[in-house]
Amino acid sequence: GDSVTQTEGQVTVSESKSLIINCTYSATSIAYPNLFWYVRYPGEGLQLLLKVITAGQKGSSRGFEATYNKETTSFHLQKASVQESDSAVYYCALSGMLSGSFNKLTFGAGTRLAVCP
Amino acid sequence: DTTVKQNPRYKLARVGKPVNLICSQTMNHDTMYWYQKKPNQAPKLLLFYYDKILNREADTFEKFQSSRPNNSFCSLYIGSAGLEYSAMYLCASSREEGNYAEQFFGPGTRLTVL
Repeated sequence: GDSVTQTEGQVTVSESKSLIINCTYSATSIAYPNLFWYVRYPGEGLQLLLKVITAGQKGSSRGFEATYNKETTSFHLQKASVQESDSAVYYCALSGMLSGSFNKLTFGAGTRLAVCP
Repeated sequence: DTTVKQNPRYKLARVGKPVNLICSQTMNHDTMYWYQKKPNQAPKLLLFYYDKILNREADTFEKFQSSRPNNSFCSLYIGSAGLEYSAMYLCASSREEGNYAEQFFGPGTRLTVL
């Protein structure tokens, strides 16, 4: 089946430093998956941070970027300079539009980001 | 209004008793989903309604029921709760736009089974 792997369960970064959260995927049932990063801030629901639906493209939002790399099956999340308000849990996910996987999101286990002042 | 509401936010249930969780949205979305989230695990899709058609994942087929009396509401029903059902339950909704459909999530219901 399809799967998403986030290798770090928790990441701690000092404010204004750079960040990378790793995400790799395996899409055995979907030829061209859509890739997403969702974020969950404390006390709130999951919300979409950014999406990329075409291989080779980059998505960006709120200073975060991620590039859809089909060769390495990766979709790493990066930010040049984090702020304390970025502290949250980040989930990488994929979905496809084939029959049987219509609108189905497959998530990674999440990476908790703690930004220290 | 792009919010998905879930009630209750916290639920305590006894082993063997039924549990009913409620989700609502006013965005006229055609699809509503239920996910289960356990600590240190990925959210796992349990089932979804596309309009009035219920689709349940194969490995959760007999464990969860759901109903969608109208476009705005969707429930998740556990007939007899077991300890393994303790988790966060996330509801989401979406409307297909082009070749992807953004899912909007509610804040979740934390279910504890004792």
